[in-house]
Amino acid sequence: GNSVTQMEGPVTLSEEAFLTINCTYTATGYPSLFWYVQYPGEGLQLLLKATKADDKGSNKGFEATYRKETTSFHLEKGSVQVSDSAVYFCALRQGAQKLVFGQGTRLTINP
Amino acid sequence: GAGVSQSPSNKVTEKGKDVELRCDPISGHTALYWYRQRLGQGLEFLIYFQGNSAPDKSGLPSDRFSAERTGESVSTLTIQRTQQEDSAVYLCASSSPPGQGIYNEQFFGPGTRLTVL
Repeated sequence: GNSVTQMEGPVTLSEEAFLTINCTYTATGYPSLFWYVQYPGEGLQLLLKATKADDKGSNKGFEATYRKETTSFHLEKGSVQVSDSAVYFCALRQGAQKLVFGQGTRLTINP
Repeated sequence: GAGVSQSPSNKVTEKGKDVELRCDPISGHTALYWYRQRLGQGLEFLIYFQGNSAPDKSGLPSDRFSAERTGESVSTLTIQRTQQEDSAVYLCASSSPPGQGIYNEQFFGPGTRLTVL
């Protein structure tokens, strides 16, 4: 079946550091790929997405590229801020149905 | 213009009791999903409703779990004879009909935190 494997956390960085959170997936066909973010005390919200191979999703300075050859969708940001502290979830979806999530990575940014 | 709402926000119950969790999707969203998030883990799919089609119940962990949806509106997730391992945050999401909306994005509610003592 479909599955998503995320880099284990927690991850702690200093402000302005470079961030990478790894995500790889297993799926039949060509799923859509997503990164969701859950800020402290808030609900889950979509951060970025990519629907086909080589697409790059981007939002709020975060980027992720759909790599079919390596079945990966790593999340990157060049310079993190304290406000980026949150839990990040990688997910895939095939068709219009359920999302399959990774286990989540807790990110803490220290000033 | 409200988003997905869920109630209650917190529920504490005793082992063996039944609980009902409610989800109000965004108006006009025909698709509704239930997920479960156990402490320190990712979200697990439970059940999916799409319009008048038969729901996809493939994620329900046992026959103690059931869900209903009235038309394209409110959904109720019921857990019978709760067990301690049912303790989790239960999240509901809704999305617009297939082929409409932006990538059929799923919009999540704030969740119901269930604690079974």
